[in-house]
Amino acid sequence: NAGVTQTPKFRVLKTGQSMTLLCAQDMNHEYMYWYRQDPGMGLRLIHYSVGEGTTAKGEVPDGYNVSRLKKQNFLLGLESAAPSQTSVYFCASSYEKGVFRNQPQHFGDGTRLSIL
Amino acid sequence: AQSVTQLGSHVSVSEGALVLLRCNYSSSVPPYLFWYVQYPNQGLQLLLKYTTGATLVKGINGFEAEFKKSETSFHLTKPSAHMSDAAEYFCAVSDNFGNEKLTFGTGTRLTIIP
Repeated sequence: NAGVTQTPKFRVLKTGQSMTLLCAQDMNHEYMYWYRQDPGMGLRLIHYSVGEGTTAKGEVPDGYNVSRLKKQNFLLGLESAAPSQTSVYFCASSYEKGVFRNQPQHFGDGTRLSIL
Repeated sequence: AQSVTQLGSHVSVSEGALVLLRCNYSSSVPPYLFWYVQYPNQGLQLLLKYTTGATLVKGINGFEAEFKKSETSFHLTKPSAHMSDAAEYFCAVSDNFGNEKLTFGTGTRLTIIP
């Protein structure tokens, strides 16, 4: 019963390096989300996707790119990492279809990313 | 634009005492309201949600919350705290357009005193 799986769990990068965070869900959910969690700021939406092949910007999209080539996967990329991107990143998914809206989001366990 | 305010970033209660975590929201349309819990080194889990209908919502682990439109509040309560309730709690609000509009509060860390 995997749910939402994020890889890697931890990563340390140097400023300017690039990396991709992977999120996979096995619940056949249409919607997927990437958040960042910083102390005292709650969760802020970076990008989201309402279905395979679609992506959209959230509240704090700058410096990040995403792709949703397969329904079950949602990738978050940092092209040139900056210290301000040091954070805990969470992926989530939810079933949103037709009249079923505002369904609970299912979260992964997070990726702790440090940019030196 | 919708927003959420959680009063008190840290709350401590004794084991067996009442838990009260406060959440106030603003929304231009009837809101959907959620409480999520986050245990250390884990993602968020849904505690309960309010959509329409009964204003007193019961969730998991003995928690409940009451939607009060006149006070724009959705406070979370539990009659008797347990050590396992120690976690961070997030209130969130969404308008009726869907989860892409979900806005989280800044969280309240609950500590249980033995």
